[in-house]
Amino acid sequence: SYELTQPPSVSVSPGQTARITCSGDALPKKYAFWYQQKSGQAPVSVIYDDKKRPSGIPERFSGSSSGTMATLTISGAQPEDEGDYYCFSADRNGDQRVFGGGTRLTVL
Amino acid sequence: DVQLVESGGGLVQPGGSLRLSCAASGFNFKNYWMHWVRQAPGKGLVWVSRIDPDGEITTYADSVKGRLSISRDNAKNTLYLQMDSLKIEDTALYYCTRSVNASFDSWGQGTLVAVSS
Repeated sequence: SYELTQPPSVSVSPGQTARITCSGDALPKKYAFWYQQKSGQAPVSVIYDDKKRPSGIPERFSGSSSGTMATLTISGAQPEDEGDYYCFSADRNGDQRVFGGGTRLTVL
Repeated sequence: DVQLVESGGGLVQPGGSLRLSCAASGFNFKNYWMHWVRQAPGKGLVWVSRIDPDGEITTYADSVKGRLSISRDNAKNTLYLQMDSLKIEDTALYYCTRSVNASFDSWGQGTLVAVSS
């Protein structure tokens, strides 16, 4: 079955740039989506279609995709950005959807 | 405002069944793809299933094929997940979510399913 691979954790100091990667064989052909989940809360979309930002999401959140890797970048990370981040995409056939394993972002 | 409210979770023995519901309001439910996503305690998000606006196209994660069945009643603005032959590993918080251009833009708060003897 299709898999998306993320690093388990990323840690940065406040104001630094955090980059979270997501690797998958179908990413050259399929969009990547990114979700933020804070403790005890439902996930929230922060990036869709590789690099588009939903309304209400701060400009410091951006996305990119190249080859088999998608990247979520948080420029000038803030303490309130701490949480788990998940990438999401589809397999080559478009039938199966899958989340990456998630990345715990620590900002301190 | 868009609202999704899940219900139907609970404690069930292995091999048992449950039917989850997701009541939708604040939008034209019949126009949207809907999905179920689950999260085991302390673990990551796992996509479970999706259904098209008309209820004719369904897709499932390999881990649940043949045991879980997604459906919808557009007249009642409700999404369902029929869960049969439940396994311990199905224990999770189950979220329903709305898809807009393949992005999940709205989520419920989830309903907890615990499979244990």
